[in-house]
Amino acid sequence: GAVVSQHPSWVICKSGTSVKIECRSLDFQATTMFWYRQFPKQSLMLMATSNEGSKATYEQGVEKDKFLINHASLTLSTLTVTSAHPEDSSFYICSARGGGSLHTDTQYFGPGTRLTVL
Amino acid sequence: AQSVTQPDIHITVSEGASLELRCNYSYGATPYLFWYVQSPGQGLQLLLKYFSGDTLVQGIKGFEAEFKRSQSSFNLRKPSVHWSDAAEYFCAVNQGGKLIFGQGTELSVKP
Repeated sequence: GAVVSQHPSWVICKSGTSVKIECRSLDFQATTMFWYRQFPKQSLMLMATSNEGSKATYEQGVEKDKFLINHASLTLSTLTVTSAHPEDSSFYICSARGGGSLHTDTQYFGPGTRLTVL
Repeated sequence: AQSVTQPDIHITVSEGASLELRCNYSYGATPYLFWYVQSPGQGLQLLLKYFSGDTLVQGIKGFEAEFKRSQSSFNLRKPSVHWSDAAEYFCAVNQGGKLIFGQGTELSVKP
């Protein structure tokens, strides 16, 4: 149980285009989903927290207009990188946390999405 | 604010040898602590977690961790390392529903 998927696993795009990344909880309902960014050989940096049906909460220094997050259902959250530039190239990882007793306070992570902006 | 420190950036052990990865945290109350493992180009997999109760926690893949309040530590151990254990290991503490990660420890396994 507690499986989280991400799609796509990798994407290459041209500078100036927008890219959407999906995060799905496959076998549980995720009341909260998180989006992280990870640079090579570094730890995870939390970008934003999203709760189903409400606006995402962004961490300090993260541009909300650039990284659009939608959490429209209890199993799906999307991250859209708008007008992507080479400096947005990174590994993006989502995680999901359910509201039931088995999953309280535990985040389950997706496999990540490698974004390369040319 | 809480913080998590993993003092060892990189550790190399021989296959079959024992392993201990260190994690120290700073938090006033009893923390919710986690160990995750990340293989190259992959997401994070939960190894084990500590919320309360028995301070020795068993996880998957033969890993265990011991919570020591007096030392503010939550070290990860494995009695016999396998080559497939080579990966990046992250210790994390839950702060208000968000995970605060340590810097990670890269484990290499010598044949």
